[in-house]
Amino acid sequence: DAGVTQSPTHLIKTRGQHVTLRCSPISGHKSVSWYQQVLGQGPQFIFQYYEKEERGRGNFPDRFSARQFPNYSSELNVNALLLGDSALYLCASSYTTGSGNTIYFGEGSWLTVV
Amino acid sequence: AQKVTQAQTEISVVEKEDVTLDCVYETRDTTYYLFWYKQPPSGELVFLIRRNSFDEQNEISGRYSWNFQKSTSSFNFTITASQVVDSAVYFCALSETTDRGSTLGRLYFGRGTQLTVWP
Repeated sequence: DAGVTQSPTHLIKTRGQHVTLRCSPISGHKSVSWYQQVLGQGPQFIFQYYEKEERGRGNFPDRFSARQFPNYSSELNVNALLLGDSALYLCASSYTTGSGNTIYFGEGSWLTVV
Repeated sequence: AQKVTQAQTEISVVEKEDVTLDCVYETRDTTYYLFWYKQPPSGELVFLIRRNSFDEQNEISGRYSWNFQKSTSSFNFTITASQVVDSAVYFCALSETTDRGSTLGRLYFGRGTQLTVWP
């Protein structure tokens, strides 16, 4: 079975531009979360979606938005990119939001803002 | 507030040595989950273990073992007879729960420990 898949794997954007990152969860998983990992740090929670509804949001500006589609895939959008948005963006999926669910991560999208 | 501390930034060992990675956490929840993930240079976080707050039994999986001590809020990870392939960044993480006992899928990560195993 396929794991969590993300695209693109690497991309370079210019300050002020917009970026869309995509994620397909493990088959059967209905919850998708997004994390940002800057170099030398642990991942930081951005969003969680379950059944197409936002269930949680981390401490990120409104330039960050996301959505989940009927097939449970998800997009993370970042507007007006800043140099500080350069990071590895990780998508995670779990079966539900219920207790004890293991959370699986994709390989991430490496975003460089120049 | 939830917090995870991995005090060891970098550890270097020679192959076949045992190594322990420390993790200390803070939470006000009575029900919570602890995780360890391995991150190779490719970037993917590889799930290693999940432990709930009511299960303090130590666990062994091959060369890996975990020691969960609620009294000291620690969840340490030991690799026995380390190998070069164990070289990676290891993250400890804590998940919060709602008042109905469901996790939100939100993980709080430590800063990670870079483990280098030399041949």
